[in-house]
Amino acid sequence: EPEVTQTPSHQVTQMGQEVILRCVPISNHLYFYWYRQILGQKVEFLVSFYNNEISEKSEIFDDQFSVERPDGSNFTLKIRSTKLEDSAMYFCASRFSDGPNQPQHFGDGTRLSIL
Amino acid sequence: GQQVMQIPQYQHVQEGEDFTTYCNSSTTLSNIQWYKQRPGGHPVFLIQLVKSGEVKKQKRLTFQFGEAKKNSSLHITATQTTDVGTYFCAGLISSGSARQLTFGSGTQLTVLP
Repeated sequence: EPEVTQTPSHQVTQMGQEVILRCVPISNHLYFYWYRQILGQKVEFLVSFYNNEISEKSEIFDDQFSVERPDGSNFTLKIRSTKLEDSAMYFCASRFSDGPNQPQHFGDGTRLSIL
Repeated sequence: GQQVMQIPQYQHVQEGEDFTTYCNSSTTLSNIQWYKQRPGGHPVFLIQLVKSGEVKKQKRLTFQFGEAKKNSSLHITATQTTDVGTYFCAGLISSGSARQLTFGSGTQLTVLP
């Protein structure tokens, strides 16, 4: 079964540094998402992306965050100047369409640790 | 902000007992989705409910969507150790042209053998 793949599985970065989290969505999917989950807490929506542009973003997704689909397969989340509170698990998800009963498929996540 | 509340936060049951988790939204939902997350894993989609009063079953799991489309429940009959994990509801909240999936805080289920 096709999967959403995320790399790296764990990223350790110094505070203030830039970090790029990478995702390869399922190949025929058109809608892409980033979520984060602080340890022991709920999943929080960050951003959705369709047709090469952001369709929705949450309050968390401030100017320090950006997303890109640089080619036909990768979907990246960049954090420009990381803060301690950015430490979390970041999940990428994709879905085929926006229609009803179209599930979001989540990747295994990237654990981001900011020192 | 718009919230999806979920209770209980934790539930310990003996294998074979039933389990229910409840979600309530402060606003009407376009749909509600349920996910299961095993420890150390990622959320896995279980089901989506769209219609007011909808009830769907998946083997021992029963999902309900309230008449007002503001609440939902997941009921597991005769729990098994494989049911262990955190169950999240996620409501699709539409506001104008904006649509955002808002997750509940999750119910962590422990099943004791």
